[in-house]
Formats: sequence, structure tokens, C-alpha cells
Amino acid sequence: SQTIHQWPATLVQPVGSPLSLECTVEGTSNPNLYWYRQAAGRGLQLLFYSVGIGQISSEVPQNLSASRPQDRQFILSSKKLLLSDSGFYLCAWYKAGTSLEKLFFGSGTQLSVL
Amino acid sequence: AQKITQTQPGMFVQEKEAVTLDCTYDTSDQSYGLFWYKQPSSGEMIFLIYQGSYDEQNATEGRYSLNFQKARKSANLVISASQLGDSAMYFCAMRPNNAGNMLTFGGGTRLMVKP
Repeated sequence: SQTIHQWPATLVQPVGSPLSLECTVEGTSNPNLYWYRQAAGRGLQLLFYSVGIGQISSEVPQNLSASRPQDRQFILSSKKLLLSDSGFYLCAWYKAGTSLEKLFFGSGTQLSVL
Repeated sequence: AQKITQTQPGMFVQEKEAVTLDCTYDTSDQSYGLFWYKQPSSGEMIFLIYQGSYDEQNATEGRYSLNFQKARKSANLVISASQLGDSAMYFCAMRPNNAGNMLTFGGGTRLMVKP
């Protein structure tokens, strides 16, 4: 079965420090992968998506970057965090199909930038 | 650009009663998918139900059903026989007809079930 791992669960970082959040998927190959961010009490905002190794598309200009070094690995990074980068970050992969299509989410990372 | 609107920021429902959460969408695509997710306080995103734009019948999954009105561009979620565990944030989302299969989410509705 397919699973998605995301870590860490919580992270507290000072302003100006670097960031690296990792996400890995098991049980599928060549998945579409996504990073979403959720501000407190708000909806999900798509940050990046990737349809293959080394292929990254950015939806929102920001202080973050993403990379996909391996087929089932997706990394969200920042060189210098800002206060506004605080939020709940969710990695996801998309299972296409007819009646079975859905977006599977990781358990999320709560990032607090202080 | 696609847009999802959930006009109810918060709702109360009495336990064991049914509740409808509203969702409208805007797209020029002929083929698209509609989803509902539940997010409890733990933060995990739980898939509830999916409706394809060409599906003629409304989707159902247990106590969840999606009231799909294509001409009105609405995809309301109906929860029957509400339970205390249904208290959570609920998000409507749409997958347009694009190569990236990117979902756009609405702002969410917080449902609170009263005992």
C-alpha cells in the first residue's frame, strides 16, 4: 500500500536560520508531489508541485524552494527563514484514476519561526 | 484561474442530525474533479469523498454524500447522522484539467457537533 512520510512533526526555528523539510512516498512510482502551506485557521495554499525528478513548479513567489532529488523524495527548503514562513506544511501525492483519484497527505510539519 | 468558495466559516449541528456544508467553484474546464477533506484538530487531512465532473450520480461514502449541481457549480457535502467525532474543519477542493493535477482548496468550514 502507498504511504507518505513527512518529518519533523514540529519545528521551532529562529528568523534567518535555514530550513529543510523532507517528504518520502512509498508504494508508488513517478508520483506527482506537492507542498502545501496552511496558515492558522485558513485553507491550503499550494507552494510547489513536481511531476518528476528535478522538475519543480512554483505557484507562489516566496522565500522557499523545493527539490526532488529522487523519484519518491520531495524536499522543501529555505536559506533564511522569515516570520511569515510560520505555518503548517503538508506534503502530498496524487493518485490519478477514475473513481479512485485522491490527494494523499503526510501528517504535516508545524513550523514556528521566532 | 480556478476558485473554490466556502461561505460558511463555522457551523453548529446537533448530534444525530444531518448537516450540509456549502461549496461553490469556478472553472472553465469541462473535465474536473471535486473533493472533500476533513481536518481534525490533529492537523491530518482525511479524504472523505470524490466526484468527477462527468459522474451523473452523486457520490456517496457511508454517512457522506456530495450534492453535485453542475449547472450551479456547487458541490455541497452532506453529513447524515452527525457524530461528536465529526467536529473538525472541512475543506472543499477542485482538481482542474491540467497536467499537474493540482488541487485548489477553499477556505474551509469549521463544523461543531453539539451533544
